[in-house]
Amino acid sequence: DTGVSQNPRHKITKRGQNVTFRCDPISEHNRLYWYRQTLGQGPEFLTYFQNEAQLEKSRLLSDRFSAERPKGSFSTLEIQRTEQGDSAMYLCASSNPTPYEQYFGPGTRLTVT
Amino acid sequence: AQRVTQPEKLLSVFKGAPVELKCNYSYSGSPELFWYVQYSRQRLQLLLRHISRESIKGFTADLNKGETSFHLKKPFAQEEDSAMYYCALNIAGNTPLVFGKGTRLSVIA
Repeated sequence: DTGVSQNPRHKITKRGQNVTFRCDPISEHNRLYWYRQTLGQGPEFLTYFQNEAQLEKSRLLSDRFSAERPKGSFSTLEIQRTEQGDSAMYLCASSNPTPYEQYFGPGTRLTVT
Repeated sequence: AQRVTQPEKLLSVFKGAPVELKCNYSYSGSPELFWYVQYSRQRLQLLLRHISRESIKGFTADLNKGETSFHLKKPFAQEEDSAMYYCALNIAGNTPLVFGKGTRLSVIA
């Protein structure tokens, strides 16, 4: 296990299309987080899971966004009917309670044309 | 709502000069503060956290609750310190982080 992985690394899509990203956390980590980062900004929280339970969703997560972590392992983030404003880097992180530290993946860069 | 402010977008210093990256936060309780770093073409990684009170790669940061600050300091900058630095806040362990906008540190040889 070499850390948090995310696929794909890059995604270019046309406006109106649906996209899905995958995150594989560090195997023993029970918490998984999704963040979004746009140019010139720090990462902004979207949603997070403890095992398979989704604990919190940010107001940034519109109805077009949905996230799952079906077996408490990998997670998917789907964006429906993409808009140009969805263009961003989508980051995934995972953690365990002790010692608490969030480990980040490399991110998926989404470009909506 | 919690907020983290990093007033400088870019900080340029000469090699060997002292560095201070500023971070201020707004939160009425007792937060946990972190500094994350992102080197070129690498993922975001934890640099240090206030609870551990340790020095990593020569960097230190002290939490000043009176000034609500958590500035990152290093006495002598090295070229390999050039990176993007993010200050982040957490209000309860193992919950989502609130990040600042980041400061790009450029160390000039």
